[in-house]
Amino acid sequence: EVQLVESGGGLVQPGGSLRLSCAASGFNVSGNFMSWVRQAPGKGLESVSLIYSGGSTYYADSVKGRFTISRHNSKNTLYLQMNSLRTEDTAVYYCARYSGSYSLNYWGQGTLVTVSS
Amino acid sequence: DIQMTQSPSTLSASVGDRVTITCRASQSISTWLAWYQQKPGKAPKLLIYKASNLESGVPSRFSGSGSGTEFTLTISSLQPDDFATYYCQQYSSFSWTFGQGTKVEIK
Repeated sequence: EVQLVESGGGLVQPGGSLRLSCAASGFNVSGNFMSWVRQAPGKGLESVSLIYSGGSTYYADSVKGRFTISRHNSKNTLYLQMNSLRTEDTAVYYCARYSGSYSLNYWGQGTLVTVSS
Repeated sequence: DIQMTQSPSTLSASVGDRVTITCRASQSISTWLAWYQQKPGKAPKLLIYKASNLESGVPSRFSGSGSGTEFTLTISSLQPDDFATYYCQQYSSFSWTFGQGTKVEIK
């Protein structure tokens, strides 16, 4: 059974850093397109970052230069390193797996990141 | 980046109604479009992929159509479990964006 479990969220001050983890089971992270999607309180979904199976990465303009997506193949885990956090980064962060038809067919339960002083 | 515009933003309907949600892309995306349902406090759930393909386990009252720049999600007979927010999402040329969402409310 495919499962994604995020962790690492919490309260951080503006300018601080946080690393989110997404532990996968039932499939190999290394062989799939994986993504981080966020949702600010009461708002819609925003694609933040993705990593292709080959290792290439993509970032939304709003996080480019501050966030880094990576994966640890032996731990079967996806990461999102978030630096220079801003109040507007406050959101629930979901990790998700892309299917072969470029849609997100498996999602984690989400982890809340709150950036506030 | 390709922009996705959903309409309406909010829709009030009754159980049994036929409901249609539209998603327009700022440029052609072929059929690289997906639809998701999200309930409060929950992760989104994939309903439709590649514009018109029903995800496994999704009730057949949901259907999708369209290509190029205009797409629709139709619920043929709205059920109590369908009151939720719906999002479209496109993939094209290494770009992924979501629509702003359509909330389906009880009339």
